[in-house]
Amino acid sequence: IAGITQAPTSQILAAGRRMTLRCTQDMRHNAMYWYRQDLGLGLRLIHYSNTAGTTGKGEVPDGYSVSRANTDDFPLTLASAVPSQTSVYFCASSELAQATDTQYFGPGTRLTVL
Amino acid sequence: GQNIDQPTEMTATEGAIVQINCTYQTSGFNGLFWYQQHAGEAPTFLSYNVLDGLEEKGRFSSFLSRSKGYSYLLLKELQMKDSASYLCAVRDSNYQLIWGAGTKLIIKP
Repeated sequence: IAGITQAPTSQILAAGRRMTLRCTQDMRHNAMYWYRQDLGLGLRLIHYSNTAGTTGKGEVPDGYSVSRANTDDFPLTLASAVPSQTSVYFCASSELAQATDTQYFGPGTRLTVL
Repeated sequence: GQNIDQPTEMTATEGAIVQINCTYQTSGFNGLFWYQQHAGEAPTFLSYNVLDGLEEKGRFSSFLSRSKGYSYLLLKELQMKDSASYLCAVRDSNYQLIWGAGTKLIIKP
């Protein structure tokens, strides 16, 4: 693989269910990010990780959790999904969490919570 | 609060030039990015500005004025494949990217 992969591509989920969105990168980037994208709104940061073993909260962290056990993987978990979490979720990575750093995005996961 | 403003939608003709504006109010400034996003796809990096002035990259150019909190993306010799959304993002004092809602550019033959 080259770049960032996300799984699943899309998912329909019943409210109250637990769901983990997977993200893997093979670029050995230190920093990784999870965003959600909703119609009419900009990308909003959910959680981020500047390096393996550390995580931080973004703008909209409630209802989501992340872990960063190694450099390559950055899963996002919805403990108990609610309809307002219906969105397109993008994982991104950058070499370092510095000002000039370009973020590279995965293909996204389209999640519908009913 | 932090705010990034872009027009929601613009229409242009194939072969023409279009300018997409972005104004921002953020807590600190550590650079401004432009990304392109085709429908149903991931955003892809176009340009980065941190100093005032114009950065040119082929058919695309990006301008920044930090004193005015303003940037624009200039697309020349428009092609049908340029139909996409263009996202403006500012890196704030916490080194997080604050994103605008994007400008949907429609190219007509």
